[in-house]
Amino acid sequence: NAGVTQTPKFRILKIGQSMTLQCTQDMNHNYMYWYRQDPGMGLKLIYYSVGAGITDKGEVPNGYNVSRSTTEDFPLRLELAAPSQTSVYFCASRPDRSRTDTQYFGPGTRLTVL
Amino acid sequence: AQKITQTQPGMFVQEKEAVTLDCTYDTSDPSYGLFWYKQPSSGEMIFLIYQGSYDQQNATEGRYSLNFQKARKSANLVISASQLGDSAMYFCLRGDNYGQNFVFGPGTRLSVLP
Repeated sequence: NAGVTQTPKFRILKIGQSMTLQCTQDMNHNYMYWYRQDPGMGLKLIYYSVGAGITDKGEVPNGYNVSRSTTEDFPLRLELAAPSQTSVYFCASRPDRSRTDTQYFGPGTRLTVL
Repeated sequence: AQKITQTQPGMFVQEKEAVTLDCTYDTSDPSYGLFWYKQPSSGEMIFLIYQGSYDQQNATEGRYSLNFQKARKSANLVISASQLGDSAMYFCLRGDNYGQNFVFGPGTRLSVLP
């Protein structure tokens, strides 16, 4: 199993550009998450999904959109990029057998908006 | 927003000694889970330990143990016999009753001294 994979690893965007961060997991997990981590800070939840076709907002959803058409994929869309969106983005997944299940994190995407 | 507090931005510990990293949390959920993750300088997120709110005993995983005081809403991580490889950021994390919505603390940077 590859686990949780994220592409790209790094990206530089200009203000106002758009992009999609890709996240794929091969563990058949129903729950998937997108977080952002600003320098020296903890992670903040952007969006999460409890299964294909179901998404919900986390703590900091503004400026982002998600979709979940398959169990495996959970892309994060940035529209009209702003410098405040410069961050490291982590995707995670977890099984939904119980509350005790931990999350499996991807390696992260480092995004800079100039 | 329900908050996680980690009051120690940075901690130092001598190799082979024990160290306690503090975590307090807000919640109105009757049932929840508490997690600790380690983030080394390489950036990946590594799961360490889990404590459920209804668990009677404190969780232990090898050199990691969790000092859970439910009435005080605290879930401190204890690392015994610190090793140089323990130098990293440590995050306390709370999951809600359904295991869907997660809130991270700001983290504590631990430095282990030889």
